[in-house]
Formats: sequence, C-alpha cells, structure tokens
Amino acid sequence: EAQVTQNPRYLITVTGKKLTVTCSQNMNHEYMSWYRQDPGLGLRQIYYSMNVEVTDKGDVPEGYKVSRKEKRNFPLILESPSPNQTSLYFCASSPRQGRGGYTFGSGTRLTVV
Amino acid sequence: ELKVEQNPLFLSMQEGKNYTIYCNYSTTSDRLYWYRQDPGKSLESLFVLLSNGAVKQEGRLMASLDTKARLSTLHITAAVHDLSATYFCAVDIPPKTSYDKVIFGPGTSLSVIP
Repeated sequence: EAQVTQNPRYLITVTGKKLTVTCSQNMNHEYMSWYRQDPGLGLRQIYYSMNVEVTDKGDVPEGYKVSRKEKRNFPLILESPSPNQTSLYFCASSPRQGRGGYTFGSGTRLTVV
Repeated sequence: ELKVEQNPLFLSMQEGKNYTIYCNYSTTSDRLYWYRQDPGKSLESLFVLLSNGAVKQEGRLMASLDTKARLSTLHITAAVHDLSATYFCAVDIPPKTSYDKVIFGPGTSLSVIP
C-alpha cells in the first residue's frame, strides 16, 4: 500500500531532550515536507526537500533540523525541544513539487513539558 | 504577501442542503488542491486541479478552478453527516528562482446536522 509512515504517533518529552520523528514513504516520491498544525494557525511548513541531499527552510524552521540521505526517509530532528514546539506534526510527500498534491502521514502529536 | 483565504471558516448546514466553500488566493497559480481532515486525523487528498476551468467531482463534492479570478470552489450537494470535517485548499506557487512551495488555506470546518 502506498503510504507515508510517521513514528511515533504520540510523544511526550521534556524540555531540552533531543528527539527525532521519523518519516518514510514507499512511493519513490522526490518531494517531501514537514508541517506543523496549530489551532488558529493552520498548517505551516517547517522544512522541505526537493530530492536527496536537497533541503530548504519553510516558514517556521527555527528549532528544527532535517536530513535527506535517502529518497524514502526524511526525519525531523528537534535538538533541544521547547514547550512552544508542542504541536501536531505531519510529514508529506509528492511525486515532485507541483505534481499531484501531497500524501500525508498519519501525524505525530508532540507535547513538550 | 502570499495569501490563501477560505470562506466561510465555519459552516453548519442541514442534511440535504447545498452549499459552496470558496478559496481565494493572491498570486498566480494554476495548481490547486483540496484536502479533507477528520478530527484528530491526517489530511486526505480530495481533488487535484491542474488548469484553468478544471472541474472534478467525487460523490457529493465538486471542485472547480478559475485561475483568472484566482478562485476555487468546493460545492457540496445534498449534504450528509459523513461530510462533517475540515476542508483545506492549498495553492501551488510556481517556482521563482529557488522559491517553490505550497500554501494552505486556514480550513473550513463543516458540520452537517440532521
């Protein structure tokens, strides 16, 4: 089944403890992206990647890192999480930017205390 | 400033009625997407509109795109409770130098009541 797999689904962590949210797609998509969704603020792009080893900042990249060493994986790294990063995170992929829209992962609900 | 607006943001409608959700955007684009999100769930792709005048239909939902007016509509026919969800439009901004992104609207929260 074609899908984007995110893990974990739920995560509660403490301020400053590094964490990684994994994202993997099995559709050979070139383009991958991370969004966060907050009430009243909608979906905001954190980082995106046009292809392997090509990443760029979205609208709210501060406090996040990404890497794209393989086409299928696009992990989101929070080096030192803070409470303002408490949010619902989505990974998404598409064949390439502008073609066919996104397939979204199931989401990761992160709480930083 | 690049903006995608949806109208209305909240919609409560009775079963069996028709209604239209509007998506306006502020820059040139000929690619627009509609997504559905159920509470606590992920976003599901509904429609991909790739040219001016594109019209797509799936069940009780029909989406259209007018790139000259920078407007897309999502029309709901004879609403049923199962359509209750939040609907997002998203506009694909064409590449300008290295700038290349998708911008989401704020979402329209639809509630269909008996």
